[in-house]
Amino acid sequence: AQKVTQAQTEISVVEKEDVTLDCVYETRDTTYYLFWYKQPPSGELVFLIRRNSFDEQNEISGRYSWNFQKSTSSFNFTITASQVVDSAVYFCALPEYNTDKLIFGTGTRLQVFP
Amino acid sequence: EPEVTQTPSHQVTQMGQEVILRCVPISNHLYFYWYRQILGQKVEFLVSFYNNEISEKSEIFDDQFSVERPDGSNFTLKIRSTKLEDSAMYFCASSLQGAINQPQHFGDGTRLSIL
Repeated sequence: AQKVTQAQTEISVVEKEDVTLDCVYETRDTTYYLFWYKQPPSGELVFLIRRNSFDEQNEISGRYSWNFQKSTSSFNFTITASQVVDSAVYFCALPEYNTDKLIFGTGTRLQVFP
Repeated sequence: EPEVTQTPSHQVTQMGQEVILRCVPISNHLYFYWYRQILGQKVEFLVSFYNNEISEKSEIFDDQFSVERPDGSNFTLKIRSTKLEDSAMYFCASSLQGAINQPQHFGDGTRLSIL
């Protein structure tokens, strides 16, 4: 079965520090997508990125970057120069094998202090 | 940017009562989902819906739960006889295609509190 592991339960940093959130997955699919979602204190789930298994190039979007390593089954998320507004719970997810069901990790709570 | 909207944002209900959570998915999306998140825990899949029928459901989605798309825009989740353990945040999501191909876009959630 598919599995997503986010071993870091909570991370605290001071503003302007860089921070990396880890995501390790297990899948029996040969092609698959991985996702990151952000859940700020207000509770909504915000889609951040979708990544397909064909493409191992790192992706950068402003202060956000993602490092996908198929060899280690990891899809890590780095925030550069963190800001207080980055404080949220971040979830990594991938679809269950051959279904539309998204499997979420347990999330990493990021707290950025001023 | 189009978004998924959910109402109400917070619902308080007595145990044993029926509750209906409402969602308006993004208008051109074809796949619809409900997830729930018990406070402090991870997001769990409940059900997916495509072409006017359930395509997948989890073990959580028992006979007390049902979904409906009563018209071209709304997608509802009904819990027939609520239990204390149904207290959670319920998220509706929609996508243009299935999860393998397109991201699911989530609404802001409905916080359901069962007393």
